[in-house]
Amino acid sequence: QSVLTQPPSVSAAPGQRVTISCSGSNSNIGNNYVSWYQQFPGTAPKLLIYENDQRPSGIPDRFSGSKSGTSATLGITGLQTGDEADYYCGTWDSRLTTGVFGGGTKLTVL
Amino acid sequence: QVRLVESGGGVVQPGGSLRLSCEASGFAFSTYGMDWVRQAPGKGLEWVAFIGYHGDNKYYADSVKGRFTISRDNSKNTLWLQMNSLRADDTAVYYCANDGGRLWFKQLDSWGQGTLVTVSS
Repeated sequence: QSVLTQPPSVSAAPGQRVTISCSGSNSNIGNNYVSWYQQFPGTAPKLLIYENDQRPSGIPDRFSGSKSGTSATLGITGLQTGDEADYYCGTWDSRLTTGVFGGGTKLTVL
Repeated sequence: QVRLVESGGGVVQPGGSLRLSCEASGFAFSTYGMDWVRQAPGKGLEWVAFIGYHGDNKYYADSVKGRFTISRDNSKNTLWLQMNSLRADDTAVYYCANDGGRLWFKQLDSWGQGTLVTVSS
């Protein structure tokens, strides 16, 4: 069982907006930066969001991140079929002194 | 551009050992923390270990503590993961990644392609 909790799956139609939640505690999300990763089947993950809400260069502004208290959210607008992938949140846990990931969310674009 | 190339994976018997390598290029390796992350077949990501930019800070997941050792040589731009007392549940693709954090995990900026470790008799 993951330290961070994500919904196993979300779905939405092309062009719509979807959000993926990541819930933790004070020792992880509450006091550390959250990052988000996108992974297509058979490939390595890719950084989408860092420091809660920052996009690396090359990541479209359709992807956004936010954090409030012990939860974080990844938002994707203008959904495309090419966005179908698994999405993971990650952060540092200061009490465990380990990195932690959510269990991952599979996005389906209907 | 950033390039991370893992090697050393393969099939090993339970209780055996394996040493993974990660050769880095395209960035200032000595200024970045580095991580190993694994993914068991059909499962999610599991953080394994972190090493600080100078090699002194090391952190491990409870599942590998005491069995795995992370190390680096900044003069060779290389990261290693020594894996001992391997178990069937260590079977996974192992990724190395450079970390935006210098002293503990912050975010994984770039990832290698991964190397598969299979623990089986």
